[in-house]
Amino acid sequence: NAGVTQTPKFQVLKTGQSMTLQCAQDMNHNSMYWYRQDPGMGLRLIYYSASEGTTDKGEVPNGYNVSRLNKREFSLRLESAAPSQTSVYFCASTNTGELFFGEGSRLTVL
Amino acid sequence: QKEVEQNSGPLSVPEGAIASLNCTYSDRGSQSFFWYRQYSGKSPELIMSIYSNGDKEDGRFTAQLNKASQYVSLLIRDSQPSDSATYLCAVLDSGGYNKLIFGAGTRLAVHP
Repeated sequence: NAGVTQTPKFQVLKTGQSMTLQCAQDMNHNSMYWYRQDPGMGLRLIYYSASEGTTDKGEVPNGYNVSRLNKREFSLRLESAAPSQTSVYFCASTNTGELFFGEGSRLTVL
Repeated sequence: QKEVEQNSGPLSVPEGAIASLNCTYSDRGSQSFFWYRQYSGKSPELIMSIYSNGDKEDGRFTAQLNKASQYVSLLIRDSQPSDSATYLCAVLDSGGYNKLIFGAGTRLAVHP
């Protein structure tokens, strides 16, 4: 039982490049989330998907897009990366409010 | 903007002492509250959830909730060096969709 799996774990991009962070969960959870974590700022919600087929903006959605591909998978896309998007990104899922997190993806934008 | 406030610390306690971590929140309609532990470079892991006013105990951990004061706390008894981590308080957004609002976290350091 893998839980929540994120790929890649590390990525370095140049300003203006695009990339997609992948997330998959095998716990049959309906809701999935993307957070970013910056030093001293805690976890901030980027986008979420309350159920398959729906997505909504969180607190800091600018510069990101998401796709809920099916019940298991929820991807986060940076179309034109900026240095301000250097962060650690966490995917999470739940059915009850108790979030289960992936291991995180550390992204550096130069 | 719904907020969760925590003292950033570091909170330094000697081994064997009680560590007390506090959190206040602004969403008066919130009904579910969580404490996550996050070791450096790792992802958050759930250690306690609490839904009713009062105390909830689980091993060395006790969560306390006072909805009237909009206050949540976590007590760690017999603190161990392995408890050294950042503790994140999270509140379920009353607006639905199982969204959690996180505090910035309190860094706890337990010294031998």
